[in-house]
Amino acid sequence: GAVVSQHPSRVICKSGTSVKIECRSLDFQATTMFWYRQFPKQSLMLMATSNEGSKATYEQGVEKDKFLINHASLTLSTLTVTSAHPEDSSFYICSARDNTANRGGWGEAFFGQGTRLTVV
Amino acid sequence: QQQVKQSPQSLIVQKGGISIINCAYENTAFDYFPWYQQFPGKGPALLIAIRPDVSEKKEGRFTISFNKSAKQFSLHIMDSQPGDSATYFCAARRSGGYQKVTFGTGTKLQVIP
Repeated sequence: GAVVSQHPSRVICKSGTSVKIECRSLDFQATTMFWYRQFPKQSLMLMATSNEGSKATYEQGVEKDKFLINHASLTLSTLTVTSAHPEDSSFYICSARDNTANRGGWGEAFFGQGTRLTVV
Repeated sequence: QQQVKQSPQSLIVQKGGISIINCAYENTAFDYFPWYQQFPGKGPALLIAIRPDVSEKKEGRFTISFNKSAKQFSLHIMDSQPGDSATYFCAARRSGGYQKVTFGTGTKLQVIP
C-alpha cells in the first residue's frame, strides 16, 4: 500500500503552547487528507477533512480555531493544536486518499503512524 | 448516531482457530467496506475491503462475507495466530463528496497459544 508519514510520533508539550503535527503522503498525491482523534480503547473520530488549496471542513463539535489545519501541497497537511490543554491529550491520526487508478481505483485512504500528544 | 455497529467488543481465540467479527450498517449509500487492523500505538492499516456487488472476498487467511440485504458484513480470520492479536475496525464509506470513512467501534482480538 501507499505510505503516509506522520511526524512526530510522540510529543509532550506544556499547557498553553501550540503543537504542529505533519502528515505527508510519500509516494502519491493526495488532494484530500483526513484528521482523526482516538481516545484509549475507542474508535477513530473524524475531526476534519483537509483539502489542498482550500479551507478544511470540520466535523460538528470540533473547534476550528483550536485545531488549525493547513493543506498547502498535494503531499502535506498539518494539524496545529493551539493553546493546548491537558484535555487535548490524545492520539491523533491522519490519513490520505490516493485517487489514482494504480491501487485498484477505489480511492483507498492510507493512514499515518499516529501522534501521541501529551499536554502537561 | 452510530452508523456502523461492530461486535464483539473483545474476542479471545485459540491459536489455529477462526476469529469472527461482525458489523452492521444503516446507510444504504455506503458502497465500500474496508477492514483495518491496528496495533497499540500505531495507525490503522488496511487489511481487506469489499464492495457490495460481491458476497465474499478472500485474501490469504482473511475473508470478508457481505450480506447486502441484511446490511451486514463480517471478517473471518482463519488459522488465527498470536501475531493477529490487535484491534480490528470495520468501516464503511459512501461515494461522492469527500468519501469520509465511518468506523465501527472496534474489536480487540487476542489469540492465545
